[in-house]
Amino acid sequence: QQQVKQSPQSLIVQKGGISIINCAYENTAFDYFPWYQQFPGKGPALLIAIRPDVSEKKEGRFTISFNKSAKQFSLHIMDSQPGDSATYFCAASIGGSEKLVFGKGTKLTVNP
Amino acid sequence: DAGVTQSPTHLIKTRGQQVTLRCSPKSGHDTVSWYQQALGQGPQFIFQYYEEEERQRGNFPDRFSGHQFPNYSSELNVNALLLGDSALYLCASRFRTGANEKLFFGSGTQLSVL
Repeated sequence: QQQVKQSPQSLIVQKGGISIINCAYENTAFDYFPWYQQFPGKGPALLIAIRPDVSEKKEGRFTISFNKSAKQFSLHIMDSQPGDSATYFCAASIGGSEKLVFGKGTKLTVNP
Repeated sequence: DAGVTQSPTHLIKTRGQQVTLRCSPKSGHDTVSWYQQALGQGPQFIFQYYEEEERQRGNFPDRFSGHQFPNYSSELNVNALLLGDSALYLCASRFRTGANEKLFFGSGTQLSVL
């Protein structure tokens, strides 16, 4: 049973555009929702994270939108740059535990 | 300040063999978690170690075992290797300050089982 469903599987945007990646979760006990960025040959790196007591969190060009009633959260990358080309993973855990449940990932390509 | 370091970076084994992967957490971090990332998939949690004990475990068989040393470094052992164990094995350490926390991942060990 996949507890975190991520879409789309791949995404191509033009430089300067907005990239949007969506995730849906099933376990209502999840209370920590991070997004990770992974480049080829590297481990995932934390981009931004949110807890369910807020509906939106912004850090630079990255924004998480959270909808608790729909059990969905999304990552928005504004002014997308070629350097943002990477695989993005949403994840969830209970109580901030290291036992993260990851989505299957979205490969983002930003064309110059 | 060194990040999370893992060794070796690549490893090739044959079915039935045993393998040991190593991880040194980021300085000042005391918990280590291990993840398995199959090609084209998200990482899957194997287990977490804190104070030299396994604290949480994911849905992995007993062939997967680990250890944490007094200096917080850790090993992941996999016995009786199967072809399906081929994956990138990631180690992560946690930094927590108050309500904020961050999980730092190493670059992983790419294991190929032939």
